[in-house]
Amino acid sequence: DSGVTQTPKHLITATGQRVTLRCSPRSGDLSVYWYQQSLDQGLQFLIQYYNGEERAKGNILERFSAQQFPDLHSELNLSSLELGDSALYFCASSVGGLAGAKETQYFGPGTRLLVL
Amino acid sequence: GIQVEQSPPDLILQEGANSTLRCNFSDSVNNLQWFHQNPWGQLINLFYIPSGTKQNGRLSATTVATERYSLLYISSSQTTDSGVYFCAVSGGYNTDKLIFGTGTRLQVFP
Repeated sequence: DSGVTQTPKHLITATGQRVTLRCSPRSGDLSVYWYQQSLDQGLQFLIQYYNGEERAKGNILERFSAQQFPDLHSELNLSSLELGDSALYFCASSVGGLAGAKETQYFGPGTRLLVL
Repeated sequence: GIQVEQSPPDLILQEGANSTLRCNFSDSVNNLQWFHQNPWGQLINLFYIPSGTKQNGRLSATTVATERYSLLYISSSQTTDSGVYFCAVSGGYNTDKLIFGTGTRLQVFP
């Protein structure tokens, strides 16, 4: 158990809908990361938050947004869903600090999203 | 950006065999992690190893940062070792994002 929790574990929805994925980082970790694993794109970084502020952005679609709350949990919002958004979404956390610091990222169990 | 290549893409072993998985990366890194993705999709941290050698039970890893590669050794394979092994790196002074390789799919048969 990495200490990172994600809910829900599974999500089935229809095209055009909006969903919210939730992540709670390990106790004491200030950085939260979101990654997407799809069959055609592999594992890709989406976005990072550090202590409530966006720190880095990857290949995140405009239909997707995220935020980190004062209690450090994070939510990833996916809207106007398309079939191609079906994927496993992982949240990871790390202690945080200076960007580029050498530290381990711990991954949650993931949320499996299926868009029909 | 940094490119990460893993080899071999697929590996089939009998229980008890040893194996070596390789990860090549194209630039200097601050972070290198090895993960095991089990058949249920969970990503399990194996090693944080931007340089040097580490061992954990039947698994060990070595990263030669100056030559830009890392090796994961699995000894006395068990069926529970089956899954996909990913190498992921981050590099540069201002980034923490991990860039993943395409993985090595390992199947261990009894």
